[in-house]
Amino acid sequence: QSVLTQPPSVSGAPGQRVTISCTGSGSSIGAGYDVHWYQQLPGTAPRLLIYGNSNRPSGVPDRFSGSKSDTSASLAITGLRAEDEADYYCQSYDSSLSGSKVFGTGTKVTVL
Amino acid sequence: QVQLQESGPGLVKPSGTLSLTCAVSGGSISSSNWWTWVRQTPGTGLEWIGEIYHSGSTNYNPSLMSRLTISVDKSKNQFSLKLRFVTAADTAVYYCARGRDSSSSRNFDYWGQGTLVTVSS
Repeated sequence: QSVLTQPPSVSGAPGQRVTISCTGSGSSIGAGYDVHWYQQLPGTAPRLLIYGNSNRPSGVPDRFSGSKSDTSASLAITGLRAEDEADYYCQSYDSSLSGSKVFGTGTKVTVL
Repeated sequence: QVQLQESGPGLVKPSGTLSLTCAVSGGSISSSNWWTWVRQTPGTGLEWIGEIYHSGSTNYNPSLMSRLTISVDKSKNQFSLKLRFVTAADTAVYYCARGRDSSSSRNFDYWGQGTLVTVSS
């Protein structure tokens, strides 16, 4: 039921920069709703990484940054580290789904 | 530090009712937050199930609404999920989480560890 589309996987060498896209529609991201990002390490619960498009909760390194434009959003990881290998999900709201909060399809980040 | 802990049966028979409870500690369930259920299956990723405010107001995923009830017990600082007429498709890891409003949509800043519920006879 995801209405937010992400690439299935991205990869990069340690120290490199990777970006993950999150594409929505005119009733979700394009309608101006905030996008949030979560990191899920293997076997653990998701962790809030970015909220309100570009804000980092306390404790999240500034290597992680978020942005939003039109009907899409992006998460960037700079200075990639081995511990960044995880699944990443975007999340927003879709007004066409009766108040549903929606998650992206998820992206696996692999550190080469 | 807010902590959430799911509890409930790990195995439910087909056509039965899945019942889970989320105990909240380190904070009040009567705070200005929405208390949320999310599930995750290997094939479909994360799925928002629904949410409740301490007043009892609820929002449900339209695809689950006909089978779903979320309730809150302020005296025990916990909230619960009941999903009726379950099938194998409801097999998933179920998470409870705290929903916090940003300027235009809700995010989930605290999560439980998750509990696996399998639907099988």
